[in-house]
Amino acid sequence: EHLVESGGRLVQPGESLTLSCAASGFVFSDYSMNWVRQAPGKGLEWVAYISSLSGSIYYADSVQGRISVSRDNGHYLVFLEMKNLRGEDTGLYYCVRGGYCHGGRCFSAALDLWGQGTGVSVS
Amino acid sequence: DIQMTQSPSTVSASVGDTISIRCRASQPISSFLAWYQHKPETAPKLLIYQASTLQDGVPSRFVGIGSGTDFTLTIRGLQPDDFATYYCQQYASFSHTFGQGSTVE
Repeated sequence: EHLVESGGRLVQPGESLTLSCAASGFVFSDYSMNWVRQAPGKGLEWVAYISSLSGSIYYADSVQGRISVSRDNGHYLVFLEMKNLRGEDTGLYYCVRGGYCHGGRCFSAALDLWGQGTGVSVS
Repeated sequence: DIQMTQSPSTVSASVGDTISIRCRASQPISSFLAWYQHKPETAPKLLIYQASTLQDGVPSRFVGIGSGTDFTLTIRGLQPDDFATYYCQQYASFSHTFGQGSTVE
């Protein structure tokens, strides 16, 4: 079971960036996915959640309106599109498995599988 | 949003010590509480979920207790590999929130 993020790079303030995460080794469509970030010298911050069939999406207040999470279950991919980037968006972005849906209901769960992260620098 | 407050922010300890880290939620979260270990240059690792259930492969020296708003992670007999930063996290809501982290040094 693996998650591999990509797409992080140096961007200027106000620019946009899309991060990707490729999953393997498990049935991707069975699980909800999250993005978690860590700014330099700071703690972990949950950023976004998307349910297994994209029916439920949630964002942290700090990024609401500037980011969009999506997924492609056929290709085992999840994306994080970020717009109008700010210096405080600088950090390591992790793709993380956590949560599942069953019988038409979705359930939150601990974050049990993490990628190695992709770095975003806004400067 | 549910706020999570961890204490202490730093724990100074030696190999063999027993240490505890506390986590308090701003509102009741039942047992929807997880603990993670994070070391530099590595991905965070899930240690405990449902407040007290060990993730597969996690040594039994890690003990989690609590429910409602107050939770504790205890590490019994610290090993060299345990020196890291630990985070609590609530998942009672889909908008997960983490504590500020506690570094065991």
